[in-house]
Amino acid sequence: EVQLLETGGGLIQPGGSLRLSCAASGFTVSSNYMSWVRQAPGKGLEWLAIIYSGGSSYYADSVNGRFTISRDSSRNTLYLQMNNLRADDTAVYYCAANVVVVAANGFDLWGQGTLVSVSS
Amino acid sequence: SYELTQPPSLSVSPGQTAIVTCSSDKLGNRYTSWYQQKPGQSPVLVIYKDNKRPSGIPERFSGSNSGNTATLTISGTQPLDEADYYCQSWDISNVIFGGGTRLTVL
Repeated sequence: EVQLLETGGGLIQPGGSLRLSCAASGFTVSSNYMSWVRQAPGKGLEWLAIIYSGGSSYYADSVNGRFTISRDSSRNTLYLQMNNLRADDTAVYYCAANVVVVAANGFDLWGQGTLVSVSS
Repeated sequence: SYELTQPPSLSVSPGQTAIVTCSSDKLGNRYTSWYQQKPGQSPVLVIYKDNKRPSGIPERFSGSNSGNTATLTISGTQPLDEADYYCQSWDISNVIFGGGTRLTVL
């Protein structure tokens, strides 16, 4: 069974750093593209970053320069390094991937999400 | 920057057809996906590549995309279809989500 499991969320002070992990099972993280998506309380989905199978990565303007997406094939895990966190980064963070449907041009597998709260 | 526009809300009665729209300039030239999200749950892909349904998604869900508008159609809407629906497309290598439409079935 394919699955994504996010960890690493929690309460962090403004200006702090946090690294989120997304452990994959049933497939390899480098096999296709994977993304991080967040959802602030009561708000919609916001795409943050994507890493393609070849290793190229791209970011939303809102996090470019502060967040870094990466993966470790040996641990079969996707990461999101978040620096200089702000109150408006408070959200549930999801990892998502295209795993089941070949070339879906969408995300057919999502994790359960991990909550990041930025507050003093 | 590229944006996808959705109506914030839509209400239908059970058994009716719900039509959720997603608009942007020349959206028909890009693949669009649709996601369903119920409260407290992760999003679920219900339509990909404009009009294709993943395994396990009921046939009452269908999609189209032409011109400037992509459409998610739910035929014979059921109370369990009450959820937020998001469209998603691509801006070259970046991902874009619409603002979401809250579908109420009453």
